Amino acid sequence: AQSVAQPEDQVNVAEGNPLTVKCTYSVSGNPYLFWYVQYPNRGLQFLLKYITGDNLVKGSYGFEAEFNKSQTSFHLKKPSALVSDSALYFCAVRDRWNFNKFYFGSGTKLNVKP
Amino acid sequence: DTGVSQDPRHKITKRGQNVTFRCDPISEHNRLYWYRQTLGQGPEFLTYFQNEAQLEKSRLLSDRFSAERPKGSFSTLEIQRTEQGDSAMYLCASPNPAGRELFFGEGSRLTVL
Repeated sequence: AQSVAQPEDQVNVAEGNPLTVKCTYSVSGNPYLFWYVQYPNRGLQFLLKYITGDNLVKGSYGFEAEFNKSQTSFHLKKPSALVSDSALYFCAVRDRWNFNKFYFGSGTKLNVKP
Repeated sequence: DTGVSQDPRHKITKRGQNVTFRCDPISEHNRLYWYRQTLGQGPEFLTYFQNEAQLEKSRLLSDRFSAERPKGSFSTLEIQRTEQGDSAMYLCASPNPAGRELFFGEGSRLTVL
């Protein structure tokens, strides 16, 4: 079965420190991988994606993510967190051949304290 | 702004009433998706349209739910005889032209009292 796991419900970091939000997946084949951010009472905003090529992908607002095929992980990272980064983050995977099947993790709440 | 518009943004209703949500997707996109997001969870697939044809429906979409996309433009999601368990955020999405990532609207939050 296809699934996405975000093992941390919440991540707390101090402003200026690096942050990591973890994601692991179980999808057959070579999936496409995505990160989205959601602010309260808003829809999901696309941050970045991995399709192929370099394992480190860069996205919006200084975020990047590292794809690790052997560990089936796609962790979201940022070198220096901002208070405004505080939000809910979702990892998603899509079967490479079936674009109707997006699977989302349960989300990780990121709290960045001043 | 993703180009996907949803209306209304918030709806409070009493149990047993019918509600309808509207989605205007990115223009000229022939695919449209509906997702449901409950508190503390990620979005879950409900249904998908290619032009006016509804091609796939999730088991989450009970017979009280109906979705349409007349003329392949905007879409509506109707919930009949609402139940408290229907309380959720209903999200509409369009894929980018290459069909890889989804662009979501701001969602319609339903509260059933």
